[in-house]
Amino acid sequence: NAGVTQTPKFRILKIGQSMTLQCAQDMNHNYMYWYRQDPGMGLKLIYYSVGAGITDKGEVPNGYNVSRSTTEDFPLRLELAAPSQTSVYFCASSKQGESYEQYFGPGTRLTVT
Amino acid sequence: KNEVEQSPQNLTAQEGEFITINCSYSVGISALHWLQQHPGGGIVSLFMLSSGKKKHGRLIATINIQEKHSSLHITASHPRDSAVYICADVRRDMRFGAGTRLTVKP
Repeated sequence: NAGVTQTPKFRILKIGQSMTLQCAQDMNHNYMYWYRQDPGMGLKLIYYSVGAGITDKGEVPNGYNVSRSTTEDFPLRLELAAPSQTSVYFCASSKQGESYEQYFGPGTRLTVT
Repeated sequence: KNEVEQSPQNLTAQEGEFITINCSYSVGISALHWLQQHPGGGIVSLFMLSSGKKKHGRLIATINIQEKHSSLHITASHPRDSAVYICADVRRDMRFGAGTRLTVKP
């Protein structure tokens, strides 16, 4: 199993550009999560999904959108990139819910200039 | 104020020392998650616990739900234990501590 994969690994965006961060898992996990980690700060939950077709906001959803059309994929969309979105983005998945350990992807380092 | 507080922020130890990292949370939770973030950035899950104690190799995690406090202990620390250790309260909108950066010197 590849586990949780994320693409791209690095990306530089100009202010106002849009992009989609890809996340996929091959463990048949129902729950998937998107986090951001700013330098010296803790991880913050952006969005999560409890299954295909179901998504919900986390602590910091503004400026992002998600969709979950399949169990495997959970892309994160930035519509109008802003410097405040410069961060490292992690995708994670878990088998069931919050009482199950999460498996993390390798992260995407995004810089918005 | 972060709902999940970790201490210390930074910790330097000599190889072989016993390490303790603390985590306190303000909201009642059902379980707590300990994570390890490697210097390269990768994150792995260490423990998920809702009561008592769990042990995996040289790592021990304890939790006291009534006192809203958890500790992560590392026995016989080794330079390869150098990493950032993160605790998180387990609920739908998970809240994370800022992490404890551990450096173990040979």
